[in-house]
Amino acid sequence: AQKITQTQPGMFVQEKEAVTLDCTYDTSDQSYGLFWYKQPSSGEMIFLIYQGSYDEQNATEGRYSLNFQKARKSANLVISASQLGDSAMYFCAMRPSGDSWGKLQFGAGTQVVVTP
Amino acid sequence: SQTIHQWPATLVQPVGSPLSLECTVEGTSNPNLYWYRQAAGRGLQLLFYSVGIGQISSEVPQNLSASRPQDRQFILSSKKLLLSDSGFYLCALSGGGSAYEQYFGPGTRLTVT
Repeated sequence: AQKITQTQPGMFVQEKEAVTLDCTYDTSDQSYGLFWYKQPSSGEMIFLIYQGSYDEQNATEGRYSLNFQKARKSANLVISASQLGDSAMYFCAMRPSGDSWGKLQFGAGTQVVVTP
Repeated sequence: SQTIHQWPATLVQPVGSPLSLECTVEGTSNPNLYWYRQAAGRGLQLLFYSVGIGQISSEVPQNLSASRPQDRQFILSSKKLLLSDSGFYLCALSGGGSAYEQYFGPGTRLTVT
């Protein structure tokens, strides 16, 4: 069974600084997808970024980038130039191989607080 | 663009009472639909998913059930609520994206007393 681990329960980061959120996963599959979601205090889950296991380049979306190290089974999210609006819970998720129904497994999340 | 509606937004129900949460989507057709539950301070747990009308798959055995009477409607139900059913319920859809990324609704916060 696949497992997603986010070891940082909470982090403080100063505005305009970069922050790295850790995510490791456990799978024996060769093909899978990795996702990051943001959950503000309102509760809605916001899709941030996707990395396919066969993608050779790290995914980037604006200020978000995914540091994908396949051999280490890690998919860390980097948020550059943090803003106050980045304060939220962040979840790493994985779609297992061969799952054409798009089911996701989520980690426990990391709470990020951006301070002025 | 696709939109997901969920209602009610909040709900307080006594133990043993029935439950019906509704999710409707706009701007897409034949989506995959999902129900997740999130306990306080925790990650999301997939409860049900549906790939079409009347097609429901359950991920976790429990006293909840789901139905999909129309292509863009997904309903989560219970005949008798338990205290452990309290949580934040999120409906999501995927379809059209090559990554099968999921998009979530605003959620329903359920408190069972």
